[in-house]
Amino acid sequence: GQNIDQPTEMTATEGAIVQINCTYQTSGFNGLFWYQQHAGEAPTFLSYNVLDGLEEKGRFSSFLSRSKGYSYLLLKELQMKDSASYLCARLDSNYQLIWGAGTKLIIKP
Amino acid sequence: ETGVTQTPRHLVMGMTNKKSLKCEQHLGHNAMYWYKQSAKKPLELMFVYNFKEQTENNSVPSRFSPECPNSSHLFLHLHTLQPEDSALYLCASSQEMGPTDTQYFGPGTRLTVL
Repeated sequence: GQNIDQPTEMTATEGAIVQINCTYQTSGFNGLFWYQQHAGEAPTFLSYNVLDGLEEKGRFSSFLSRSKGYSYLLLKELQMKDSASYLCARLDSNYQLIWGAGTKLIIKP
Repeated sequence: ETGVTQTPRHLVMGMTNKKSLKCEQHLGHNAMYWYKQSAKKPLELMFVYNFKEQTENNSVPSRFSPECPNSSHLFLHLHTLQPEDSALYLCASSQEMGPTDTQYFGPGTRLTVL
């Protein structure tokens, strides 16, 4: 199928590091996106990976393994404002995004 | 961020009403999308327009009718909806439909069907 699997909810502590995993179907793959969505707001773009490896952008990094159908989003030095849902999406062969249900990240002081 | 705007932000309608959702993008993009977002479910792609031509209709019921008069505006016309259609309706745009074209989202319309 076209399932994108990611954990429903995660909890982490302010200042710590958290890794949000995403697995996806590998056929017809054209890239992997991560978006952040605060409650009641629009999803906003975080990262795009199409080649294997780690892409770093400040406190956020995203990793991709195409052979394993696996990606993760790594958030460092967590801040309270990072409490949000993180959406993983695969770009398919028609250049349409297939979305996961999102991971709700709760940051505790 | 005002790149993609949507109106209204909230809408409550009865099952017999007719209403329209509006989306406008100020980014000079050529592709526009309608998504449905229900609680705890993945975003569902409803319609795609690329250069004002509809390229996708993902088995959406006919009570939802899109309109794209130009590359900056997208409408979703609603009629005789069902309570299960209550959801957040998100509009997005991208430069084109290509491998690196990031989609930018509007804030959504929270729709409640009574």
